[in-house]
Amino acid sequence: SQQGEEDPQALSIQEGENATMNCSYKTSINNLQWYRQNSGRGLVHLILIRSNEREKHSGRLRVTLDTSKKSSSLLITASRAADTASYFCATEGYNAGNMLTFGGGTRLMVKP
Amino acid sequence: DADVTQTPRNRITKTGKRIMLECSQTKGHDRMYWYRQDPGLGLRLIYYSFDVKDINKGEISDGYSVSRQAQAKFSLSLESAIPNQTALYFCATSDVGSLSYNEQFFGPGTRLTVL
Repeated sequence: SQQGEEDPQALSIQEGENATMNCSYKTSINNLQWYRQNSGRGLVHLILIRSNEREKHSGRLRVTLDTSKKSSSLLITASRAADTASYFCATEGYNAGNMLTFGGGTRLMVKP
Repeated sequence: DADVTQTPRNRITKTGKRIMLECSQTKGHDRMYWYRQDPGLGLRLIYYSFDVKDINKGEISDGYSVSRQAQAKFSLSLESAIPNQTALYFCATSDVGSLSYNEQFFGPGTRLTVL
């Protein structure tokens, strides 16, 4: 079963616009991570936010975490065509081994 | 050179055949994982290993087996492939001990088609 559920499943925007993706999860977490996947390639870690953090920035990325609502959002500002990819949230629970559970992903298309 | 490599990158096989997918890493990480990706379902964990002597089943281990030949090598086998095992397979590594969190590093994937 998936811990994280992402919304929307697909998003299409114009270059320069902001893209927002959301992730909801079900159980308490140690941290939440966002990964990016270019078509047919391996996932690449983007950013991690710990359960005691509410917001984090990295370049054009902004991640928020609301543990009371069990949700997170990833904002990509001033999007570029090269941002076209699938984005996955992954939750690290308080389980033995710090295992990750991945959501189904959001497919982002940025049109030039 | 890539830190996590997978071979083969693409494989087409027939129902009933035995298939082995191989993963090697140069990151020196103790932990290695095998995931399967199907469209719209994200990644699902098949098996994972915390060190050479430790093998654990994941969410969907039925029909699969693994071997951790060395710290750097982790192989996934399909003993008798079936069409619903057609998917994209990823190997990943992590080093929780030194980071205190489980950031994973992925290989490029193996696209497996079972006819």
